[in-house]
Amino acid sequence: DAKTTQPPSMDCAEGRAANLPCNHSTISGNEYVYWYRQIHSQGPQYIIHGLKNNETNEMASLIITEDRKSSTLILPHATLRDTAVYYCIVRPHIKAAGNKLTFGGGTRVLVKP
Amino acid sequence: GAVVSQHPSWVICKSGTSVKIECRSLDFQATTMFWYRQFPKQSLMLMATSNEGSKATYEQGVEKDKFLINHASLTLSTLTVTSAHPEDSSFYICSASRDNYGYTFGSGTRLTVV
Repeated sequence: DAKTTQPPSMDCAEGRAANLPCNHSTISGNEYVYWYRQIHSQGPQYIIHGLKNNETNEMASLIITEDRKSSTLILPHATLRDTAVYYCIVRPHIKAAGNKLTFGGGTRVLVKP
Repeated sequence: GAVVSQHPSWVICKSGTSVKIECRSLDFQATTMFWYRQFPKQSLMLMATSNEGSKATYEQGVEKDKFLINHASLTLSTLTVTSAHPEDSSFYICSASRDNYGYTFGSGTRLTVV
């Protein structure tokens, strides 16, 4: 998997948008950007993924730069329950046996009242 | 949606004993399952990949004789920590995929070896 770089931690205010950056300058053409989050003492939870177009679902929005070397996950209205470690991962979006997810350090997000 | 059940959620065992952790895909057949280990304040580290009916593929540095993985059916994989020692205390997490690109994680098992 291509390497990603994320800030180790960030705080955000409850009710405000949280913008989580991720650099993936070595991403290749067939690799998607995936975001997962892990709430304390739980397994990771899928949030969203994308290739080159911006994506939105009920949880978040994903903005990928035109050159695809970086992306931003946006939590539109952060709540206290969004406090978690957020992982940005790049990998091929193909049905290949053993196509594994490799986690980097992630960003520890603390939502404050 | 895809649901993965992991059991037990926590276990305490004595040093030298073995512990089995189960990972079940409840509403889908998992062609591939993954086992991760996570130490406090650290990220998830992939231990091994298992495909139903075949031997698991272990990541470099993971002892296959200590961490036995069995994936006997399309809905069940087990991880057995043999002769556990305090340094094996960790959070173990499984992940299952039905189509080799969508992944669902279990809730994790906290193992404490005393």
